[in-house]
Amino acid sequence: GDSVTQMEGPVTLSEEAFLTINCTYTATGYPSLFWYVQYPGEGLQLLLKATKADDKGSNKGFEATYRKETTSFHLEKGSVQVSDSAVYFCALSVDSNYQLIWGAGTKLIIKP
Amino acid sequence: SAVISQKPSRDICQRGTSLTIQCQVDSQVTMMFWYRQQPGQSLTLIATANQGSEATYESGFVIDKFPISRPNLTFSTLTVSNMSPEDSSIYLCSVGRGGQGETQYFGPGTRLLVL
Repeated sequence: GDSVTQMEGPVTLSEEAFLTINCTYTATGYPSLFWYVQYPGEGLQLLLKATKADDKGSNKGFEATYRKETTSFHLEKGSVQVSDSAVYFCALSVDSNYQLIWGAGTKLIIKP
Repeated sequence: SAVISQKPSRDICQRGTSLTIQCQVDSQVTMMFWYRQQPGQSLTLIATANQGSEATYESGFVIDKFPISRPNLTFSTLTVSNMSPEDSSIYLCSVGRGGQGETQYFGPGTRLLVL
């Protein structure tokens, strides 16, 4: 079945470091891919998305490119801030009913 | 986008009781979803609630335990019935227009602790 695999956390970085959070997927058909972020004590917010191969989603300095050949959608940011500390979820949708398949989430901790 | 509110934001309940969680959206939406997020875990879909039809429940979730109402296109409720400590979770509602690639928007969640 369809699935999403994320790198395990927590990921701990110093401020201004480069960030990569790996996400790979298994899906039949042509999924849409999403990154959501959950800040402490809050609900989930869409961070970025890509709906077809080679699309790049970007928002707030974060980027992810839909790589069909490697079935990946890795999240990157060039210089992280303490305020980026949160849990990041990778997700996909392939279903016409629009259900999202979720990764396990990766907790990111940024130290000043 | 859509602005979603949930009530209550948190609650502490005794086992054996029931709690109804409300989800209100600021615009009409086709699809509403209810999720459970257990501490430190990812999201698990409980059910999809579409206006004018019965909710569709995922494997492991039943209507007797999690009855859902969807009286109109901007409102839904989820009841957690006959609660036990294992029901302690964050309950999230989300909305979407439907269709692959469309974004789901989430409410702030209801944090439930069952003693």
